[in-house]
Amino acid sequence: SQTIHQWPATLVQPVGSPLSLECTVEGTSNPNLYWYRQAAGRGLQLLFYSIGIGQISSEVPQNLSASRPQDRQFILSSKKLLLSDSGFYLCAWKATSTGELFFGEGSRLTVL
Amino acid sequence: QKEVEQNSGPLSVPEGAIASLNCTYSDRGSQSFFWYRQYSGKSPELIMFIYSNGDKEDGRFTAQLNKASQYVSLLIRDSQPSDSATYLCAVNWKRGGSYIPTFGRGTSLIVHP
Repeated sequence: SQTIHQWPATLVQPVGSPLSLECTVEGTSNPNLYWYRQAAGRGLQLLFYSIGIGQISSEVPQNLSASRPQDRQFILSSKKLLLSDSGFYLCAWKATSTGELFFGEGSRLTVL
Repeated sequence: QKEVEQNSGPLSVPEGAIASLNCTYSDRGSQSFFWYRQYSGKSPELIMFIYSNGDKEDGRFTAQLNKASQYVSLLIRDSQPSDSATYLCAVNWKRGGSYIPTFGRGTSLIVHP
């Protein structure tokens, strides 16, 4: 069966520091992968999606970037964090048969 | 701009009542619709998906889709305190060769004993 993991679960970072969140999927090949951010009391905002290795689509202009170095690995990065980057970051893969998303456990980022 | 709209709530219902959650979307070409439940501090998890006009039932949950009016709803019968959560509506938009899931802001449901 398919599983998805992301880490770290929680992190507190100062403004201007770098960020790296990692997500890996097991049990499926060539998954469509997504990074969402959920600010406090808000819905899920799509940040990036990827349909294959090295293929990244960005949804919103911001200081974040994403990479997909391997088929089942998706990384979210920033060189310099802003206060507004605080939130709950969710990685997900999409089942091609139904279109439903399966989410990782989430990474809660607080920028101080 | 593709939009998915939900009333943020909170929607408060007594235990045993029917909770009705609504969602509207802007793109007439959308083909697939999803309801996710998210407990506080946790990741969303799928409750139901629906593709065709009409009703789809799964246990205490019924999803309703009306493409002409561009709305999708979720009914929860015999609501339980454990149903208290945020319910997210999602629509998969077609972009190029991909379907991109877009979420509403979610409706907070409180089921009180």
